Amino acid sequence: GQNIDQPTEMTATEGAIVQINCTYQTSGFNGLFWYQQHAGEAPTFLSYNVLDGLEEKGRFSSFLSRSKGYSYLLLKELQMKDSASYLCAVGVYGGSQGNLIFGKGTKLSVKP
Amino acid sequence: DVKVTQSSRYLVKRTGEKVFLECVQDMDHENMFWYRQDPGLGLRLIYFSYDVKMKEKGDIPEGYSVSREKKERFSLILESASTNQTSMYLCASSPRASGANVLTFGAGSRLTVL
Repeated sequence: GQNIDQPTEMTATEGAIVQINCTYQTSGFNGLFWYQQHAGEAPTFLSYNVLDGLEEKGRFSSFLSRSKGYSYLLLKELQMKDSASYLCAVGVYGGSQGNLIFGKGTKLSVKP
Repeated sequence: DVKVTQSSRYLVKRTGEKVFLECVQDMDHENMFWYRQDPGLGLRLIYFSYDVKMKEKGDIPEGYSVSREKKERFSLILESASTNQTSMYLCASSPRASGANVLTFGAGSRLTVL
């Protein structure tokens, strides 16, 4: 079956570093995506990993281990505007699932 | 700079009414998707389309239908709305590619069925 797990909620302090983990079990793998969604807004694309390793993009980094079915999103120098939900999604080939299967999202609250 | 436009941000309908949710994208994308998003359940795929007049069922197609008569437009239809269809509906599009594609989402349509 298809399963994506990520923590429901996390809290961190402004200026700190936070790591949001995601584990997945899917039939077929075509990349791991992270999206950011502020309350009441559309999800926006953050990062994409298809090979093992770390992808860095400014304050955000994303890591993938395909053998472990594991990814994380690392946010550095947290700002208040980083308070949002972070959605982990796995790309799968064909079938009735479409392109992406989403986790339930992790709501991150950044405190002053 | 709006790329995926959903016709209504907020709708209130009564049980049994027919509901149309419209989505238009201006990026010439082949793929279009309809998701619903509910607290604790995340994003769930209702229907998607890889080309004009083509449609595929997602995870939760029951109670919904779709229409893709033009490349840029993908409509979600609730033939007879029910209270359990109260939700946030998100449209998305992506280009056709050999690998997984980045989805661009619309702002969402929050539907309340009374």
